[in-house]
Parts: sequence; C-alpha cells; structure tokens
Amino acid sequence: AQKITQTQPGMFVQEKEAVTLDCTYDTSDPSYGLFWYKQPSSGEMIFLIYQGSYDQQNATEGRYSLNFQKARKSANLVISASQLGDSAMYFCAMREGPPRSWGKLQFGAGTQVVVTP
Amino acid sequence: GAVVSQHPSRVICKSGTSVKIECRSLDFQATTMFWYRQFPKQSLMLMATSNEGSKATYEQGVEKDKFLINHASLTLSTLTVTSAHPEDSSFYICSAIDITGGQGDNEQFFGPGTRLTVL
Repeated sequence: AQKITQTQPGMFVQEKEAVTLDCTYDTSDPSYGLFWYKQPSSGEMIFLIYQGSYDQQNATEGRYSLNFQKARKSANLVISASQLGDSAMYFCAMREGPPRSWGKLQFGAGTQVVVTP
Repeated sequence: GAVVSQHPSRVICKSGTSVKIECRSLDFQATTMFWYRQFPKQSLMLMATSNEGSKATYEQGVEKDKFLINHASLTLSTLTVTSAHPEDSSFYICSAIDITGGQGDNEQFFGPGTRLTVL
C-alpha cells in the first residue's frame, strides 16, 4: 500500500505567489519523520525541510514551511514568494521510527512545479 | 559538510556488459548507504540498503544477482549492474547516512546521480 501520497502531478504558480504542495501519509508507527526534497532537472536531491511526529510546532526554513496536521496525517509544503528557480520536482518522504533510527525513506510520486514570470 | 559523490555521472554501455557505479561520502563516514533507481518523471524507488562490512538488504523484486552491491569501506559503496539490458537504463541515485547526526534535521545525503543508458 502506498504510504506517501502526493495527489498533484503538476502545478503552475506565478512568480512571487505562494504555493501549497499536498502530502498525506499512512503509518501506524507513533514515531516518524517527514521530509521534503526538491529535485531540479539536474537530478540532485536537495533537502528542504523536516518535521518530526512529536514536534509541537510546524517546521519552517526560510521560504519553506510545513503545515503539519497530525490527526489528518498530512504534511503539506508551503513555498512563499515563489521564484523562477523554484521550478522543480518536489518529493515528500517519510521515515518510520524515531529520529536517528536511520530507517529507509519512502517517497511520494512527486509534484512538478513550474513557476511562471 | 555531508557531501556525497557519484561516479560516473553518465555512462552509456552496450547490452550484455557490466557497469559499476561508485558512491562516496567525502567528508563523513557512512555505515549505511542506500541505492535508488528513478525512471523519467517517476519517484525514487529504493533498490537496496548497503551496510558497511555486511551483505546488502534488497527490496522486494530487486534481483540481487543483477544489481551487485559492495560496501567495502566506511566511505564507499558500489553498485554493479551485471549483464545490462536496455530496460536497466535509468537514473541511479545513492544516499548516505551520517550517524554522527551533526548535520541538522536531514538524515540522508544524496549523491548527484548516475544516468545509465544501455544500448
């Protein structure tokens, strides 16, 4: 069964606008971590932001913030003030188990974001 | 810190030959590395978990005799695609774990990937 679901295959967003990328997850483990990665056309995976299951506050990292709704099992990524360089594929991923358990990551299908001038 | 390199970045080979891809952690020791395969416009698919000094753990459906993984040192893991066929053409990405945990929230550090084309 799919553990990470990203329902938006692609999105267009205008420069300087905010965009929300959806991610829902499925796990019975009480301890887990959620990650967002950006993959530009070059192929490299760039870590953006992390949210632990026991973290009380939503994670933020510069223009990236994570809207963590634990009861709904969703971890949406919000990119504020989009820039042309934000055009890329975005992946949501989950690690089951506590921090530093070094478990494998399970990835969603990804969302292709295109930022237009 | 936490830089992972892959070599080669791009390789073209003939059907039936073997190809070796190297994954190195440049500034940290990685007891665990992961190998992923990614087809165009698709997600990363975990192939195997590579542990230094022991046999790799393969995901279901991945042929261990076809995709040989060797993690001989704390900074190097290799993936050998044996008797490659056109359907093995893909983007192969490795990641490494820095167990010192000194890199903030990120846990897996990814290499830049290797694009394999089998003719």
